[in-house]
Amino acid sequence: DTAVSQTPKYLVTQMGNDKSIKCEQNLGHDTMYWYKQDSKKFLKIMFSYNNKELIINETVPNRFSPKSPDKAHLNLHINSLELGDSAVYFCASSAGAAYNEQFFGPGTRLTVL
Amino acid sequence: KNEVEQSPQNLTAQEGEFITINCSYSVGISALHWLQQHPGGGIVSLFMLSSGKKKHGRLIATINIQEKHSSLHITASHPRDSAVYICAVKGGVEGGSNYKLTFGKGTLLTVNP
Repeated sequence: DTAVSQTPKYLVTQMGNDKSIKCEQNLGHDTMYWYKQDSKKFLKIMFSYNNKELIINETVPNRFSPKSPDKAHLNLHINSLELGDSAVYFCASSAGAAYNEQFFGPGTRLTVL
Repeated sequence: KNEVEQSPQNLTAQEGEFITINCSYSVGISALHWLQQHPGGGIVSLFMLSSGKKKHGRLIATINIQEKHSSLHITASHPRDSAVYICAVKGGVEGGSNYKLTFGKGTLLTVNP
């Protein structure tokens, strides 16, 4: 009965590979987010979708492409992985885009070798 | 300079002590969040507030919109409170949108028995 789930929890891969991280929420929320937490534990928004529509797209390399097949899912695909992509990626969701509490997934630790 | 500043960066306390973590922000906001992250763990939303004060168990969050300042208090601290506490603001960020959270760098709290 996990509210926001992410797979995989850990991902170790070589530079240049393409990988995806999946996120699903069963809270019935309209808005989903991807955040990156760097080695210094600093969190930063990457993308947000509201009702499958992209509403936030921060300055992120276009190697990163979010995809929202439906309101309950927001996947993150990364092409041509680089060493600097190593981080923990958190998915989150909220009932609405503006004034609602966000619920976070457990995170995916990506290590690029 | 980060738009959200937290202090202190690190805080060590003895069990039972009263803890205060501060957050200042430089722009107008629609809401402020306090989040908790245990070592190696996920992120939990503690409070979302836009005015006044909220209390949940031993945790109290206050916000002063005019002074652009919020505090998180922990009464009768316990070793299980040891975690990183993160302040995040939503809305009013120049160039951003009302949907985006901007994070502080976090305060690492260690409560010793």
